[in-house]
Amino acid sequence: DAKTTQPNSMESNEEEPVHLPCNHSTISGTDYIHWYRQLPSQGPEYVIHGLTSNVNNRMASLAIAEDRKSSTLILHRATLRDAAVYYCILRADSGYSTLTFGKGTMLLVSP
Amino acid sequence: NAGVTQTPKFRILKIGQSMTLQCAQDMNHNYMYWYRQDPGMGLKLIYYSVGAGITDKGEVPNGYNVSRSTTEYFPLRLELAAPSQTSVYFCASSLDGRTEAFFGQGTRLTVV
Repeated sequence: DAKTTQPNSMESNEEEPVHLPCNHSTISGTDYIHWYRQLPSQGPEYVIHGLTSNVNNRMASLAIAEDRKSSTLILHRATLRDAAVYYCILRADSGYSTLTFGKGTMLLVSP
Repeated sequence: NAGVTQTPKFRILKIGQSMTLQCAQDMNHNYMYWYRQDPGMGLKLIYYSVGAGITDKGEVPNGYNVSRSTTEYFPLRLELAAPSQTSVYFCASSLDGRTEAFFGQGTRLTVV
């Protein structure tokens, strides 16, 4: 699996937008960009994923650069419950693909 | 749907003991995974399965065994527990290799 690079930590204030960056310069054409988050003392949970186009769901938006070498997870209004470790993962579009987790970005949200 | 259920939630083992971590999913997912997470680190893949009867090693398989006789269950076996296996273990499942994975709440294992 191709590697991703994320900042170790980021801080935000409650009700402000948060932009979490991810670099993946060695991404291949069939790699999907997945984001998961892990709240304290819980298992990871799926946030969003995309291939080329920007994606939106009820939790977040995913903005993918035109050359696909970077992406940004956007939380439109951070809440205290969004404080978690966010993982950006490349997942190959193949029959035996797995999820490879890095260290992720720890998001701290202040009231 | 209960999703992915792991048992037990906590366990303390003595060095050299054996145990099986249980994992069940009720979503009829083909793929199942076992990860371990050491303090302050990301998750590392131990074993995974793409369907009943098919298993494969992940990044850190040494000291563990798995079996997948049915779609629903994917137990992880520790034969001779060592302190290095102290970790939090997560089981996950997904419909296939492209779709979102669902994780259990984890089993916190301490080997003393």
